[in-house]
Amino acid sequence: GAVVSQHPSRVICKSGTSVKIECRSLDFQATTMFWYRQFPKQSLMLMATSNEGSKATYEQGVEKDKFLINHASLTLSTLTVTSAHPEDSSFYICSARVGTSAYNEQFFGPGTRLTVL
Amino acid sequence: TQLLEQSPQFLSIQEGENLTVYCNSSSVFSSLQWYRQEPGEGPVLLVTVVTGGEVKKLKRLTFQFGDARKDSSLHITAAQPGDTGLYLCAGDGNTGKLIFGQGTTLQVKP
Repeated sequence: GAVVSQHPSRVICKSGTSVKIECRSLDFQATTMFWYRQFPKQSLMLMATSNEGSKATYEQGVEKDKFLINHASLTLSTLTVTSAHPEDSSFYICSARVGTSAYNEQFFGPGTRLTVL
Repeated sequence: TQLLEQSPQFLSIQEGENLTVYCNSSSVFSSLQWYRQEPGEGPVLLVTVVTGGEVKKLKRLTFQFGDARKDSSLHITAAQPGDTGLYLCAGDGNTGKLIFGQGTTLQVKP
């Protein structure tokens, strides 16, 4: 299957700082990537859809000025959590849709555990 | 709003037992995916079903898509401790986004 990487896998930061998370499709081009947030033992919550070369589309209730998304190339999307606070602590996962697939199959990165102190 | 109701949310069974996880909706999906996720990792795609009534098998796992493409099930035969994890169903509602079920946390005890 298609491989998606995420970096870093874990990050601990102080309240008020910004954190950038990278999501890369390693062996395919992804015109569309997705960013999810997940709380312990819960399902995935879609935060935003990232399209290469255009502005991200955010889900209702997600602050676009706080969660900045950039999809500058067909293999890289980044999520920047600005002015992070303890309530932003969570598991963030990205996924990429394979453009050649006839179905909306998404391949997920390994996730990033963010802890804000 | 499209919803996928997944049940049960938690399941703890002994090794060797069989189990079934269900995903139900009032909406029609063009395809439905099943994922398995281990703690601290991202979900891994197990299977995609696209045709009403379709049945797919992956070793001891059997996936079925309802005739009307509104529901799906995952059946595991003779569960093993290695099957432990979070199972997620996700439907493609033709919005470009996947609609996820609430997830089923499965624990298989040796």
